[in-house]
Amino acid sequence: LAKTTQPISMDSYEGQEVNITCSHNNIATNDYITWYQQFPSQGPRFIIQGYKTKVTNEVASLFIPADRKSSTLSLPRVSLSDTAVYYCLVGNSNYQLIWGAGTKLIIKP
Amino acid sequence: NAGVTQTPKFQVLKTGQSMTLQCAQDMNHNSMYWYRQDPGMGLRLIYYSASEGTTDKGEVPNGYNVSRLNKREFSLRLESAAPSQTSVYFCASSESRANTEAFFGQGTRLTVV
Repeated sequence: LAKTTQPISMDSYEGQEVNITCSHNNIATNDYITWYQQFPSQGPRFIIQGYKTKVTNEVASLFIPADRKSSTLSLPRVSLSDTAVYYCLVGNSNYQLIWGAGTKLIIKP
Repeated sequence: NAGVTQTPKFQVLKTGQSMTLQCAQDMNHNSMYWYRQDPGMGLRLIYYSASEGTTDKGEVPNGYNVSRLNKREFSLRLESAAPSQTSVYFCASSESRANTEAFFGQGTRLTVV
């Protein structure tokens, strides 16, 4: 099972682009990279998932280099409401996912 | 569309008491999961049900039992609660066990004294 390493915390300001990088050196060939967001006292919410190169949806982009040993979640023009914990997960099924402590992102005015 | 609904939202138990946490989803998902989350930590999988009629142990199953009552409902039972089971419990569902896009409930905050 692939473990991930991501920063414990990050700060940024409203309107900035935020990039959170995740390391997953032992990712397997059939593993996907999935990011979740969690607000206090709520369940996690799916943000984005990718396998290689770049994936973009209405809330974020996910950049994955060719070797797939890392990935970067990019949040464009963040607001105060983006303050949350962000989890990077690697696996090909929900029962294989290992949830680390995540990255606590704090957005300042 | 309610998504994943958990009851109760809060519960205080005395050591040795039993209780059942209820979970229901209205998305016609095949797979359902129970997680626990301790302060400052990520989620840990307790049990999962890949499809109706099947259940399997996750990372931390000791002290828990589950029932997949039907396709919609997946309950978690603590037979004899212990202080170490104080945690926030999340139920989740996904289209299939291979689909890592899961939908989570709001959680049950359980305190065992």
